[in-house]
Amino acid sequence: GNSVTQMEGPVTLSEEAFLTINCTYTATGYPSLFWYVQYPGEGLQLLLKATKADDKGSNKGFEATYRKETTSFHLEKGSVQVSDSAVYFCALQAAGNKLTFGGGTRVLVKP
Amino acid sequence: NAGVTQTPKFRILKIGQSMTLQCAQDMNHNYMYWYRQDPGMGLKLIYYSVGAGITDKGEVPNGYNVSRSTTEDFPLRLELAAPSQTSVYFCASSYGETRPAYGYTFGSGTRLTVV
Repeated sequence: GNSVTQMEGPVTLSEEAFLTINCTYTATGYPSLFWYVQYPGEGLQLLLKATKADDKGSNKGFEATYRKETTSFHLEKGSVQVSDSAVYFCALQAAGNKLTFGGGTRVLVKP
Repeated sequence: NAGVTQTPKFRILKIGQSMTLQCAQDMNHNYMYWYRQDPGMGLKLIYYSVGAGITDKGEVPNGYNVSRSTTEDFPLRLELAAPSQTSVYFCASSYGETRPAYGYTFGSGTRLTVV
């Protein structure tokens, strides 16, 4: 079946540091890939997405590239802010439309 | 647009009680979903629906029931609440296979404690 594996947290960074969260997936066919973000006390929000190989999704300074050869969709941001503290979920959407989520990675950015 | 609205935001239940978590969306999405999120964990799919009158089980359906009488509403029913059902519940909706790349829209969640 489909599965998503992402690095465990928490990840603690200083402000302006570089952030990478690794995500790899297993799926049949050609899934769409997503990153969702969950701020404290809130629901999940779509951060960025990519629908085919070599696509790059980007939003709010975050980027992720759909790498079919390595089945990966790593999230990166060059300079994090305290407001980026949240839980980040990698997800894939294959046939049948249901999302499969990774376990989430908590990121804490300290001033 | 309100998006996906969940009520209540918080609830404490006693063991054996029942309740309904409400979910409504105003985006004319065909697909709707219920997830639970346990502390420090990812999301697990409880039930989903691909349209009015059609529902199906997800990964963890035991102890729950759903109905989908309209496109807008997708209530989740807990019968005989148990401590293992203490969790945060999220409702979500999507266009479905007509627009798969749009992803899901999530509600803000219902935090349920069973004591």
